[in-house]
Amino acid sequence: DAGVIQSPRHEVTEMGQEVTLRCKLISGHNSLFWYRQTMMRGLELLIYFNNNVPIDDSGMPEDRFSAKMPNASFSTLKIQPSEPRDSAVYFCASSLGGPGTDTQYFGPGTRLTVL
Amino acid sequence: GDSVTQMEGPVTLSEEAFLTINCTYTATGYPSLFWYVQYPGEGLQLLLKATKADDKGSNKGFEATYRKETTSFHLEKGSVQVSDSAVYFCALSSAQGGSEKLVFGKGTKLTVNP
Repeated sequence: DAGVIQSPRHEVTEMGQEVTLRCKLISGHNSLFWYRQTMMRGLELLIYFNNNVPIDDSGMPEDRFSAKMPNASFSTLKIQPSEPRDSAVYFCASSLGGPGTDTQYFGPGTRLTVL
Repeated sequence: GDSVTQMEGPVTLSEEAFLTINCTYTATGYPSLFWYVQYPGEGLQLLLKATKADDKGSNKGFEATYRKETTSFHLEKGSVQVSDSAVYFCALSSAQGGSEKLVFGKGTKLTVNP
């Protein structure tokens, strides 16, 4: 089975532009997690979904960030407008979901640079 | 809330040295405990896990034992290799709204020199 797939792997954009990051879950997984990793703040959980429903979005930095699951196997994280401080590596991870199925499988990440 | 504390890095060792990375946790209930590893330029990978007290997780020569009495899950390896150079994250599962998320420590960077 393919693992978690993220695209693009690298994104360079200018301040004020819209950025969309994409994630495909492992087939059969029901939970989806978006993380951000920086040197200063380490690994931060932004939002997670279970069965397409957002469970906890308390880690989303501000209204410029939004995440969706248009179907059970795919998710997007959008930043509009982007700012230089959004530069980071963004990971998504998926798990089977539900009690006792807590192991998460991470994608390779998207390295975002906002100039 | 639930939290994980792991030793500050970076840790630098010579090849074949003994490794210990300390991890302690605070949690309600009985979480599962994990060690994830992140190699340069890659995502996190599950290294090992333990689901209940006194369980020992092991993989690739690494071991960690779930110690409920000391709320600890220290990572050990008897003889490290250069290829073990990576960042190691301790984590616990935290139930919320019928699903579970992971709470991660800040990570410990390990460098192994030949």
